[in-house]
Amino acid sequence: AAGVIQSPRHLIKEKRETATLKCYPIPRHDTVYWYQQGPGQDPQFLISFYEKMQSDKGSIPDRFSAQQFSDYHSELNMSSLELGDSALYFCATRQRGVTDTQYFGPGTRLTVL
Amino acid sequence: GNSVTQMEGPVTLSEEAFLTINCTYTATGYPSLFWYVQYPGEGLQLLLKATKADDKGSNKGFEATYRKETTSFHLEKGSVQVSDSAVYFCALIEGNSGGYQKVTFGTGTKLQVIP
Repeated sequence: AAGVIQSPRHLIKEKRETATLKCYPIPRHDTVYWYQQGPGQDPQFLISFYEKMQSDKGSIPDRFSAQQFSDYHSELNMSSLELGDSALYFCATRQRGVTDTQYFGPGTRLTVL
Repeated sequence: GNSVTQMEGPVTLSEEAFLTINCTYTATGYPSLFWYVQYPGEGLQLLLKATKADDKGSNKGFEATYRKETTSFHLEKGSVQVSDSAVYFCALIEGNSGGYQKVTFGTGTKLQVIP
């Protein structure tokens, strides 16, 4: 079965650089959630989208922005990167109205040097 | 607000031992409960879920029962294998399939199974 795709899987950036993370949902999934997971921590919710509109906002820094496109894929844009942004970034997707289960992608490991 | 409390790890067991990872929750309303598993370097995979009281979720020999009276969703497996070594997250999802959702994760319990 098709799964959530995230790219890139690994990303190394310098401080103050920008990064763009991409998430491609499972076919027919219209809702995307972004999470940040620090080492040894549980995932922290950042932001979510449904039908290209932001549906909820968590602990996302102002330096980060995200959007969902007409094909339902989503991009997380991160600017002025800081050392503390080094983490695993997951997206999860679901099909609203069909399932309450969020299906997670493999994650993008971001390292800021 | 909602919260999920998991037993602290790491949990170290010998192969074929019985596993219990405790999970309790506090929530308003009637959440769905989930167990996700994260293998090293990978994303979270859904292990099992239960959507209402007394439901039992099961998968790959793991099971957990949604206990409303004790607000618990303990994960159990009768005989663990080395390949079960991973971090296990208990999660609560408030909301439903048709609309808004809020996920609350526990802090994760690392399981290490030794041969």
